[in-house]
Amino acid sequence: GEEVAQTPKHLVRGEGQKAKLYCAPIKGHSYVFWYQQVLKNEFKFLISFQNENVFDETGMPKERFSAKCLPNSPCSLEIQATKLEDSAVYFCASSPRTVNTEAFFGQGTRLTVV
Amino acid sequence: AQSVSQHNHHVILSEAASLELGCNYSYGGTVNLFWYVQYPGQHLQLLLKYFSGDPLVKGIKGFEAEFIKSKFSFNLRKPSVQWSDTAEYFCAVKSTGRRALTFGSGTRLQVQP
Repeated sequence: GEEVAQTPKHLVRGEGQKAKLYCAPIKGHSYVFWYQQVLKNEFKFLISFQNENVFDETGMPKERFSAKCLPNSPCSLEIQATKLEDSAVYFCASSPRTVNTEAFFGQGTRLTVV
Repeated sequence: AQSVSQHNHHVILSEAASLELGCNYSYGGTVNLFWYVQYPGQHLQLLLKYFSGDPLVKGIKGFEAEFIKSKFSFNLRKPSVQWSDTAEYFCAVKSTGRRALTFGSGTRLQVQP
């Protein structure tokens, strides 16, 4: 597609429940990035992929967060045993390469943990 | 570590006033620079970008930014703001050594009619 598609738009989970977010990058874009935005403040980088391979996971809280990008499937970000502090908007972005190009952002998924 | 500073956290202007939002980054090598805007409840939209060449770049909606390498700055400007420019503005940097964007903390712009 011509835009990054994120689903669902809103997700509400009780503390301790699992949350799974999806991202379909723009067709032909090899790189996918996940960012977390808490309270409309800074965007925290979580993880990036080059096709189905993890490219950079330095921002990923590894205990409960995991992500995948499998061929012919939307990428996913999964949070096991959600906590209140996980409440945020999660943005996915894709780009055709890593330099001299912009990242195209999806609409985001607002996760509310209650 | 790479970082981006936006000095103005909240700016209030009247319509037709001029705007300048500061952005400084810490990285000595080659960078790609961006300004994104986030309207209330919406996703990030690219305003403008700098990769190389003319340090004065023009973006959408009348925005421009100037890259000053010696000052590690990429300030955003608009000569005359409109009420519809009310939004959050984010400066972002990508270095060749790091593939992901590093964002500033954002500047909330409020334009009063």
